Amino acid sequence: DAMVIQNPRYQVTQFGKPVTLSCSQTLNHNVMYWYQQKSSQAPKLLFHYYDKDFNNEADTPDNFQSRRPNTSFCFLDIRSPGLGDAAMYLCATSRGGSGATLHFGNGTRLTVT
Amino acid sequence: AQSVSQHNHHVILSEAASLELGCNYSYGGTVNLFWYVQYPGQHLQLLLKYFSGDPLVKGIKGFEAEFIKSKFSFNLRKPSVQWSDTAEYFCAAGSSNTGKLIFGQGTTLQVKP
Repeated sequence: DAMVIQNPRYQVTQFGKPVTLSCSQTLNHNVMYWYQQKSSQAPKLLFHYYDKDFNNEADTPDNFQSRRPNTSFCFLDIRSPGLGDAAMYLCATSRGGSGATLHFGNGTRLTVT
Repeated sequence: AQSVSQHNHHVILSEAASLELGCNYSYGGTVNLFWYVQYPGQHLQLLLKYFSGDPLVKGIKGFEAEFIKSKFSFNLRKPSVQWSDTAEYFCAAGSSNTGKLIFGQGTTLQVKP
């Protein structure tokens, strides 16, 4: 089945230690998104790629970076995780354009110790 | 500012009860509206969406939502809930141009058998 896969499902990192979360898709969608969801809060868009074009949200901290080496893969890099970065990170894809539906992965739950 | 507000954070119903979850949005320009559902341990899935046309939208599993432009609302309804509807429900609004979504903070629905 075509899908969005996030690895790992759970990630523990130390305060200040760089961490990378990965997302892959078999849907061949041209848009990939990263959302951060903290407990009892709405998913918050961090950035998205429309093809190779990177689009950062204005309030996304510089600590968060992303890479998309090809259509299928997208990575979220947190350069120096703080305790406040502990959250569920959701990857989503879409075909792009008007009214496209987002397809989500299962998420990676990040714990910062 | 763009925002989505869900009125109920936690709803508890008995099986066969009727459901209505409130959603209001604040969004400039043409907006697309969505309801996503997240069953326990699973990823976010699309329940239904509204782009244009008939303001009463029918989705999967007997859910429907009504877009009322004058009230900036997109409430989700189901006449008779089942235990399997226990999940978290997210309302979202998106630009018709970019596909980016803004989510409400979610409503946890617990259906008692």
